[in-house]
Amino acid sequence: GQQLNQSPQSMFIQEGEDVSMNCTSSSIFNTWLWYKQDPGEGPVLLIALYKAGELTSNGRLTAQFGTTRKDSFLNISASIPSDVGIYFCAGQSGAGSYQLTFGKGTKLSVIP
Amino acid sequence: DAGVTQSPTHLIKTRGQHVTLRCSPISGHKSVSWYQQVLGQGPQFIFQYYEKEERGRGNFPDRFSARQFPNYSSELNVNALLLGDSALYLCASSLGHVLAGELFFGEGSRLTVL
Repeated sequence: GQQLNQSPQSMFIQEGEDVSMNCTSSSIFNTWLWYKQDPGEGPVLLIALYKAGELTSNGRLTAQFGTTRKDSFLNISASIPSDVGIYFCAGQSGAGSYQLTFGKGTKLSVIP
Repeated sequence: DAGVTQSPTHLIKTRGQHVTLRCSPISGHKSVSWYQQVLGQGPQFIFQYYEKEERGRGNFPDRFSARQFPNYSSELNVNALLLGDSALYLCASSLGHVLAGELFFGEGSRLTVL
């Protein structure tokens, strides 16, 4: 099935560093979402973006909905050990359906 | 309040067998969606149900079927299991069927097919 292009695939960073990851698609999406998944858990929603160009923050997390509606970015500032996990982007093409298309994920490791 | 609950959490089947996975949505939520997550990949959409009607179907074979009950709980059935069906099956619930930001996932059912 279709998946979004998410990069990087994995990253190792020092505690306190900032993190950036992005997601691109060949298709337009009306909604972009960012999830975090810990081992043995389901994905947990971090940020939802509903408008092209929208920039939204949730604590140390900031995400942007690209103006072309084909990309999105997630930044994490001042990383801490509990940020460890797999981050997924997801796009929703239209209202009325929860047929989300997910990226393959970015595995984040934080070195104390 | 209880979140989305799924059962069983883990199960092992052999090729050719049938499996039924169950999901109870958050109280008050009327929509349930099912996703398959193969190891190392993002979740793939299988089905969405809203008010007991199928509202969407992903690119999965007819061996996969689902239904939603009057109490809004749901079952996912997979017949004639293949090795490639081994995955984490995620259920997600929502109040309505419009805004994806209202979607909440359960912890999943880990299926291993031998």
